[in-house]
Amino acid sequence: DIQMTQSPSSLSASVGDRVTITCRASQSISSYLYWYQQKPGKAPKLLIYAASSLQSGAPSRFSGSGSGTDFTLTISSLQPEDFSTYYCQQSYSSPYTFGQGTKLEI
Amino acid sequence: EAQLVESGGGLVQPGGSLSLSCSASGFSISIYPMYWVRQAPGKGLEYVSGLSSNGGSTYYADSVKGRFSVSRDNSKSTLFVQMSSLRAEDTAVYYCVAGGGYQKSYWGQGTLVTVSS
Repeated sequence: DIQMTQSPSSLSASVGDRVTITCRASQSISSYLYWYQQKPGKAPKLLIYAASSLQSGAPSRFSGSGSGTDFTLTISSLQPEDFSTYYCQQSYSSPYTFGQGTKLEI
Repeated sequence: EAQLVESGGGLVQPGGSLSLSCSASGFSISIYPMYWVRQAPGKGLEYVSGLSSNGGSTYYADSVKGRFSVSRDNSKSTLFVQMSSLRAEDTAVYYCVAGGGYQKSYWGQGTLVTVSS
């Protein structure tokens, strides 16, 4: 199975900050990567697919980059509603494994 | 609008069985791998079991192998999982997901399975 490692596991930031979350795969996954945002009690919400494609309806302050084994999710200017937990998931081969999550806090 | 709706969750005793269903609408599931993801209270996301788009390939996490059985009926746009010999550690919200490769992914709202006496 492909292991996905996210860093950091938690992050403190302020409104207006630029924030970057990293996800590393244990082997090359090309650009087969999802990024999700999850709020408490809710299903994960797709932000980015194919590593850098913004999901319809997701704010443009979210962007994804990377290929191979190293990926980043960047939030250009944090808004109050962005304080959530973020997960990466590889979609290269089953099982489509997840990173352990990054909790973004004020 | 694409939508996935899970059903069948509930309270079950340790050692018991439960079946979950996931009904899709607004899109054709026949081109998507589909799978179940669970999230135990306060924990991260775990890929549990899944199938390829035509159902020819299946996957089970080691934690559920031999106890869970996943299936799909593309003609009815439905994904199933039969869970048996349930344990306390199977307690979680179970999500149905469609997607893989470069495709967008679609998620259901989740259904809670509680294994407790």
